[in-house]
Amino acid sequence: EDKVVQSPLSLVVHEGDTVTLNCSYEVTNFRSLLWYKQEKKAPTFLFMLTSSGIEKKSGRLSSILDKKELFSILNITATQTGDSAIYLCAVNGGNQFYFGTGTSLTVIP
Amino acid sequence: DAGVTQSPTHLIKTRGQQVTLRCSPKSGHDTVSWYQQALGQGPQFIFQYYEEEERQRGNFPDRFSGHQFPNYSSELNVNALLLGDSALYLCASSFGGIYGYTFGSGTRLTVV
Repeated sequence: EDKVVQSPLSLVVHEGDTVTLNCSYEVTNFRSLLWYKQEKKAPTFLFMLTSSGIEKKSGRLSSILDKKELFSILNITATQTGDSAIYLCAVNGGNQFYFGTGTSLTVIP
Repeated sequence: DAGVTQSPTHLIKTRGQQVTLRCSPKSGHDTVSWYQQALGQGPQFIFQYYEEEERQRGNFPDRFSGHQFPNYSSELNVNALLLGDSALYLCASSFGGIYGYTFGSGTRLTVV
């Protein structure tokens, strides 16, 4: 059965901390792994990863994929209160995306 | 350039009723996928429509059905509503089912 598992389920940090979110997967016909940020309703796209070992970076956020060990991490440095959200990992296995349950991040001032 | 639009934004229905949710894809996209997101859970794939046909289906009962129109917009129908159908229903459009995967803001369905 195809599945995506995220950890931790929730995280509370102080502003300025660095966090690492984990996503492991078992998906046949793997094509890509995507990270999304969901604040209220629509998940918004962060990164798409297709190749191992190549870091994608956008400001304070970065992500990397390991296709041998079947996992990805999302790093957020110097966290801000605006980073508080649910972070979703999704794996494209053909015509559908398999989502993890998400990591709920709360950044307190 | 309009993104993915869903309607209505909120809906309250009674158990046993039927509901129709609507989705207009982003311009240039030809594929629409529907997801159900229960509170505290990640989105669960319901089905995907491409060229007016259901191309793939997740583990949802036949009470969940859909349609895609020639202009690529789509509807999700749920019959015989159960309390457990209460969730955020997300629509995502893309080109070819993969490229430019973009979510709408969702419809919050509450079944009482």
